[in-house]
Amino acid sequence: DAKTTQPTSMDCAEGRAANLPCNHSTISGNEYVYWYRQIHSQGPQYIIHGLKNNETNEMASLIITEDRKSSTLILPHATLRDTAVYYCIEYTGKLIFGQGTTLQVKP
Amino acid sequence: GAVVSQHPSRVICKSGTSVKIECRSLDFQATTMFWYRQFPKQSLMLMATSNEGSKATYEQGVEKDKFLINHASLTLSTLTVTSAHPEDSSFYICSARRLAGRVHEQYFGPGTRLTVT
Repeated sequence: DAKTTQPTSMDCAEGRAANLPCNHSTISGNEYVYWYRQIHSQGPQYIIHGLKNNETNEMASLIITEDRKSSTLILPHATLRDTAVYYCIEYTGKLIFGQGTTLQVKP
Repeated sequence: GAVVSQHPSRVICKSGTSVKIECRSLDFQATTMFWYRQFPKQSLMLMATSNEGSKATYEQGVEKDKFLINHASLTLSTLTVTSAHPEDSSFYICSARRLAGRVHEQYFGPGTRLTVT
């Protein structure tokens, strides 16, 4: 079973930052946190991953709390094309998907 | 980024027939491949994990005799749904993993929509 907790849905205004939280309070010391998203009827798309340091790439930033019990995915300037289901996953050798957060970016 | 393809993208078959879905990693060699299933408005469910040349490891509740997985090479895995029934209608997604340094990178195919009539 998935071990992360995410809000079911969120809205964000186009052009604004989207901050998606995730709780992973049972994460062990060597487990990475991965973020994927799934746009309707497509395969999941990798976004970013991290262990304990904050990470940034061309798509997003990942902020991990010092105790590693939670993280936040930041899409700095959300566009309509970022509307998708976002999944936060503790990597344990395989990706087990929870229900994710449905992000709706609105004009 | 790495590319994973699936074929076919959608297939309709009659109840009782078998269907084969191919998954290929196009520009990298995958150490492991995974098969997922997704029903409407639900999340992805992991069905099985396979390594090249080895038998697949199935998740609890997944019938290994119904969902045959062959992982013949580092770039190709196939899922065969045998004696398909309408309840097998679903979105099947494969994923390929490679090792990049100390971190596993896992990429997903576009999915195959199976409809059993």
